[in-house]
Amino acid sequence: NAGVMQNPRHLVRRRGQEARLRCSPMKGHSHVYWYRQLPEEGLKFMVYLQKENIIDESGMPKERFSAEFPKEGPSILRIQQVVRGDSAAYFCASSPGQGSYTFGSGTRLTVV
Amino acid sequence: KNEVEQSPQNLTAQEGEFITINCSYSVGISALHWLQQHPGGGIVSLFMLSSGKKKHGRLIATINIQEKHSSLHITASHPRDSAVYICAVVNTGTASKLTFGTGTRLQVTL
Repeated sequence: NAGVMQNPRHLVRRRGQEARLRCSPMKGHSHVYWYRQLPEEGLKFMVYLQKENIIDESGMPKERFSAEFPKEGPSILRIQQVVRGDSAAYFCASSPGQGSYTFGSGTRLTVV
Repeated sequence: KNEVEQSPQNLTAQEGEFITINCSYSVGISALHWLQQHPGGGIVSLFMLSSGKKKHGRLIATINIQEKHSSLHITASHPRDSAVYICAVVNTGTASKLTFGTGTRLQVTL
C-alpha cells in the first residue's frame, strides 16, 4: 500500500511559467490537503478537497493558484504565472476522514 | 500571536539525553498532532492525540486539554533523532485542516 505520492519531487520554473504539482492520496483516502512551507517559515494550510469538491480554500492566494481533485486521477495544485515568492515546498496530505494524516514527500518548487 | 507556540525553537542535546519539546495552543481543538521533518525531507506523522498519553518506542506524547498544552518526549536520544519536530492542531469545527507551530529544531550529537 503505497503512501501519498507527490510528483515531481523538484520543479524548476522560470518566472511567468505555470507549475503543476500532483498528489495521489493513499488508497482509501478521499480527503486531500495542500500545505505550503516557505523558506525558513512554518507550514501553512492552503486548500482542502474531497473528490470533485473544494471544501475549504481559505488559505489559497486569490490569484494564480487553483486546485482540483477529479473523480479519477491525482489532485493537482496549479500555479499560473509563477513569481519568485512562490518558491517553497508544497506538501500534500491525505486522510480517510477520522483525523489521521499521511503526508507526501513534498514538491520543492524553485522559481528562477 | 500564533495560535500554536512551540518551545524551545532550537535544542541541542548529547546522545542519550532525555528530551522534552513543548507545545501550547490558544484555541479549542479536536486533536493535536506531532510531526517530524528531516532536513530537505518529507513529513512523518508521529502521534495524534485528543487526550492522555501515547508511547511509541522511545517517543512519548502527552496532552493536557484543560491547560492547552502538549509535550513530546524522546528518551535515550540518538543522532538519528535530529530533525525538526512540529506540533499541529485541528481547530474545533475547521474540517480537520491543521494549524502548525513553527517547529523545534533538534540536534543530537555524539
